[in-house]
Amino acid sequence: GAVVSQHPSRVICKSGTSVKIECRSLDFQATTMFWYRQFPKQSLMLMATSNEGSKATYEQGVEKDKFLINHASLTLSTLTVTSAHPEDSSFYICSARDPLAYNEQFFGPGTRLTVL
Amino acid sequence: RKEVEQDPGPFNVPEGATVAFNCTYSNSASQSFFWYRQDCRKEPKLLMSVYSSGNEDGRFTAQLNRASQYISLLIRDSKLSDSATYLCVVNDGNYQLIWGAGTKLIIKP
Repeated sequence: GAVVSQHPSRVICKSGTSVKIECRSLDFQATTMFWYRQFPKQSLMLMATSNEGSKATYEQGVEKDKFLINHASLTLSTLTVTSAHPEDSSFYICSARDPLAYNEQFFGPGTRLTVL
Repeated sequence: RKEVEQDPGPFNVPEGATVAFNCTYSNSASQSFFWYRQDCRKEPKLLMSVYSSGNEDGRFTAQLNRASQYISLLIRDSKLSDSATYLCVVNDGNYQLIWGAGTKLIIKP
C-alpha cells in the first residue's frame, strides 16, 4: 500500500517559536492532503485540506495565519505552527489521498508537538 | 511486512448480522490500541480504545491478544449506519500512531 511519512516524529520547542512539519507521499502523487490534530483522549479533528498548487481550505475555528499550510508539490505538504504556545501542544497527523487508488486516504504516523 | 495489517474488505453483511474483523501488528512493544471509524470523505473518528481486558460499548466489542499480536472488533446486530471504514491504530510506544489502511464494511438491507 501507499506510504505517507511525516517529519519530525516528535518536536519540543519553546513558546513563541515556529515549527514546521512535513508530510510526504512516498510512492504516489497526492493532489490532496489533509492535516489533523488530536488532543489527548480525543478523536482526530480535521484542521485543513491542502490542495496542490492552491490555497488550503481551513475548517471552522482553525486560524489560517497561525497554521500555515504549503502544498507546493504533489508529494509534499508542510504545516507550520507559527508562534507556538503550550495550548498548541498536540498530535498532528497528515493524510494523503491517492487518486489512482480510488481516492483512498493514507495516514502519516503523526508528529507529537510539545510547546514549553 | 506492514506494521499494522487489516483485511481491506469490503465485508458485505446483511443488516442484523454479526461481523468481526481483526488487525495484526508487528511491534510487540506497542502499548495502546484503538479502533477508528471513517465515513466516506470525512475524518476518522475514535470508535473505542482497546484495553488488555477487552471492552464493550453497546453493540461493539474490542479485544486485544498480545500473545498473537492482534486486536479484534466485533459488531453485533449490525445497522445500515455501521457502513464505514474501520481503521486499526496502534501506538508503538515512541509517540507514533501506526494506522492500518482500514477495513471497509457495507451493511446491506
